[in-house]
Amino acid sequence: GDSVTQMEGPVTLSEEAFLTINCTYTATGYPSLFWYVQYPGEGLQLLLKATKADDKGSNKGFEATYRKETTSFHLEKGSVQVSDSAVYFCALSDQGAQKLVFGQGTRLTINP
Amino acid sequence: EAGVTQFPSHSVIEKGQTVTLRCDPISGHDNLYWYRRVMGKEIKFLLHFVKESKQDESGMPNNRFLAERTGGTYSTLKVQPAELEDSGVYFCASSHYSFLYTEAFFGQGTRLTVV
Repeated sequence: GDSVTQMEGPVTLSEEAFLTINCTYTATGYPSLFWYVQYPGEGLQLLLKATKADDKGSNKGFEATYRKETTSFHLEKGSVQVSDSAVYFCALSDQGAQKLVFGQGTRLTINP
Repeated sequence: EAGVTQFPSHSVIEKGQTVTLRCDPISGHDNLYWYRRVMGKEIKFLLHFVKESKQDESGMPNNRFLAERTGGTYSTLKVQPAELEDSGVYFCASSHYSFLYTEAFFGQGTRLTVV
């Protein structure tokens, strides 16, 4: 079945550091890919998405590119801030399916 | 605009008891989803409503779980009787159309602890 694998956390960085959170997937069809973020005390929020190969999703300085050849959707940000501290979830939705398959989440802590 | 609201935020019950979780979606959102995260593992899909109809309940773990959506508005998820392995965080999400085309908004979740 479909699955998503994220790099294990927690991840701790200093402010202004470069961030990469790895995400790879297994799917039978041509999935749409998502990154969700959960800030402390809040629900999950859509951060960005990509619906086809080579698409780049971007939002709030974060980027991720849909790489079909490596089945990956790595999340990157050039300079993180303390306010980026949260749990990040990579997810996919296979073609036509009305449900998300999530990775296990990566807790990110940014120190000033 | 109010977001997705879930009640209660926390619930601690004994094994064998019944618990009912409630989700109020964003007004006008026909699609409502339930997910849960057990023991810090990945978030898993439970079921999907379109209005009052269950479109997909393939993720419901067993017949101790019953979900309803009265009149296509709020939804409840009842666990009866609760078991220890049901502990986790239960999330509800809603979207106007498919979340593939419009954003799905999540509630803060209900943390259920079965002791």
